[in-house]
Amino acid sequence: AQSVTQLDSQVPVFEEAPVELRCNYSSSVSVYLFWYVQYPNQGLQLLLKYLSGSTLVKGINGFEAEFNKSQTSFHLRKPSVHISDTAEYFCAVSAGSYIPTFGRGTSLIVHP
Amino acid sequence: DSGVTQTPKHLITATGQRVTLRCSPRSGDLSVYWYQQSLDQGLQFLIQYYNGEERAKGNILERFSAQQFPDLHSELNLSSLELGDSALYFCASSVADNTGELFFGEGSRLTVL
Repeated sequence: AQSVTQLDSQVPVFEEAPVELRCNYSSSVSVYLFWYVQYPNQGLQLLLKYLSGSTLVKGINGFEAEFNKSQTSFHLRKPSVHISDTAEYFCAVSAGSYIPTFGRGTSLIVHP
Repeated sequence: DSGVTQTPKHLITATGQRVTLRCSPRSGDLSVYWYQQSLDQGLQFLIQYYNGEERAKGNILERFSAQQFPDLHSELNLSSLELGDSALYFCASSVADNTGELFFGEGSRLTVL
């Protein structure tokens, strides 16, 4: 079985500051990892994915994430956030059956 | 726009009733997934279909059922509705089922009164 833990339910940050959203996973087999973003009243949109290869993955809107197998983590980072980044962010893991399991989400709140 | 279409966007109904949610996947995608999103449970996987056949089942109640038709669109049927079934129901699709990368619709918000 696989599971995902997003350590922070809410992350407030000021505009132009850096941000890190934390994600840890648990799986007994090799995994694929994803970050999705959900803007208000919208569906989930893929930000980035790790399937194989380089552990540093770059996504849309200036986000990046690093796969750390020894720490079973896949933290999401952005060096300078904008007001428009305010949204709910979901980490997801798939393994074996390839059905993604999602974390509970982290609400990123960017203040001016 | 993900290319996944869900209808209706909003639905209000009473306890004990039955509703059907519809999903059209992205063109070319063979796999359809249904998820339920609620405040207390988060995003829960319900069921997956691949090219018309049920592929995987998650936390789907016996009162719920789904199917995927030959044109690949899918329907989720929810019956004997309870207050606790109020949630956002997402459909997602993928080309195959070999990574877990999904494309989500905008969801159907169900309110049971």
